[in-house]
Amino acid sequence: GNSVTQMEGPVTLSEEAFLTINCTYTATGYPSLFWYVQYPGEGLQLLLKATKADDKGSNKGFEATYRKETTSFHLEKGSVQVSDSAVYFCVTNSGGSNYKLTFGKGTLLTVNP
Amino acid sequence: DAGVIQSPRHEVTEMGQEVTLRCKPISGHNSLFWYRQTMMRGLELLIYFNNNVPIDDSGMPEDRFSAKMPNASFSTLKIQPSEPRDSAVYFCASSVAGPGETQYFGPGTRLLVL
Repeated sequence: GNSVTQMEGPVTLSEEAFLTINCTYTATGYPSLFWYVQYPGEGLQLLLKATKADDKGSNKGFEATYRKETTSFHLEKGSVQVSDSAVYFCVTNSGGSNYKLTFGKGTLLTVNP
Repeated sequence: DAGVIQSPRHEVTEMGQEVTLRCKPISGHNSLFWYRQTMMRGLELLIYFNNNVPIDDSGMPEDRFSAKMPNASFSTLKIQPSEPRDSAVYFCASSVAGPGETQYFGPGTRLLVL
């Protein structure tokens, strides 16, 4: 089955620092890849997604590129803000019409002023 | 637009009691998912409905758990009888079915069984 391995946290950064959260996946077929974010006390929200190899997803200054050759989908942001403090989940589905999402364990990011 | 709506947001109950969690998906979405989130196990898919029909309930822990979707705008997850190990955050999510489609999550119900 599918699996996702993401960088263990917690990650603590100062405001305006560069962020990378590593994510690698194993999947059959041609999966879509997602980053979801969970702010304290809230549900998960889609941050960005990529549906095929070499696609780059981007949103709110965050970016991730779907790398089939390295089976990776690393999340990056050039300058984090305190408001980015949250848990970030790397997620994959199976290719085709499969509805099942496979979640990474989540990485807690804390950004200090 | 209203997102996925869940109620109640918090529930505290005693072991053995029946618990009913409710979900209203986003209008026009034809897929609905119930998840459970715990520190130990992360996010687990409990059940998936498509066009109000349960497609996959392999994640439902045991017979104490049941879920229904009587129409396109409402679903319930029931636990009877509840046990302390059921304490978790339960999320409902909905999507338009299709490859790579985004699932939109509700705010969750935080359940504590004493």
